Amino acid sequence: AQSVAQPEDQVNVAEGNPLTVKCTYSVSGNPYLFWYVQYPNRGLQFLLKYITGDNLVKGSYGFEAEFNKSQTSFHLKKPSALVSDSALYFCAVRDKESGAGSYQLTFGKGTKLSVIP
Amino acid sequence: NAGVTQTPKFQVLKTGQSMTLQCAQDMNHEYMSWYRQDPGMGLRLIHYSVGAGITDQGEVPNGYNVSRSTTEDFPLRLLSAAPSQTSVYFCASSRGVFTEAFFGQGTRLTVV
Repeated sequence: AQSVAQPEDQVNVAEGNPLTVKCTYSVSGNPYLFWYVQYPNRGLQFLLKYITGDNLVKGSYGFEAEFNKSQTSFHLKKPSALVSDSALYFCAVRDKESGAGSYQLTFGKGTKLSVIP
Repeated sequence: NAGVTQTPKFQVLKTGQSMTLQCAQDMNHEYMSWYRQDPGMGLRLIHYSVGAGITDQGEVPNGYNVSRSTTEDFPLRLLSAAPSQTSVYFCASSRGVFTEAFFGQGTRLTVV
């Protein structure tokens, strides 16, 4: 079974400060990891993904995430937060060993990010 | 470029009524899926399809049916709506198992 934990329901950060949104995962094999963002009354938008290779992944809107296999984490980061970054953020995982016939992408419960002017 | 289109955007049903939520994508993606989003529970997978004619159950399939007769369309059917099915429903598609998913705008369903 695969699972994702986002330990913080809400993260508040001042504009211009660095931000981190935490994610830990559990899979039996190796993971595919994703971050999505949801603005109010909208669908989810893809930010970045880790498939293989470099542990530091860069994505849209200046976001990046670091894959840490030993800690089974994939935290989302940004060096300088903007008010427009305020949204709901979801981490998701899929087990690479699941096979092409299975498409179980498991999402965390989401973290609400509020950037304070 | 339409991407993933869901209809309707809003719907109110009475308990016991049936309806179909429509989902269409124009990106020729093989993989499509339906999720429901409830407060504090994230997104939970209802059903998914890895290609035309192939569907499978996700985490919360009870009360929902799907079919995939074409690559483009993946409708979700509620046979007998229950208040527990009040939720926001999202359809998503992707090119492959390791590629990002594209989401529709969602359908907000209320069952009274």
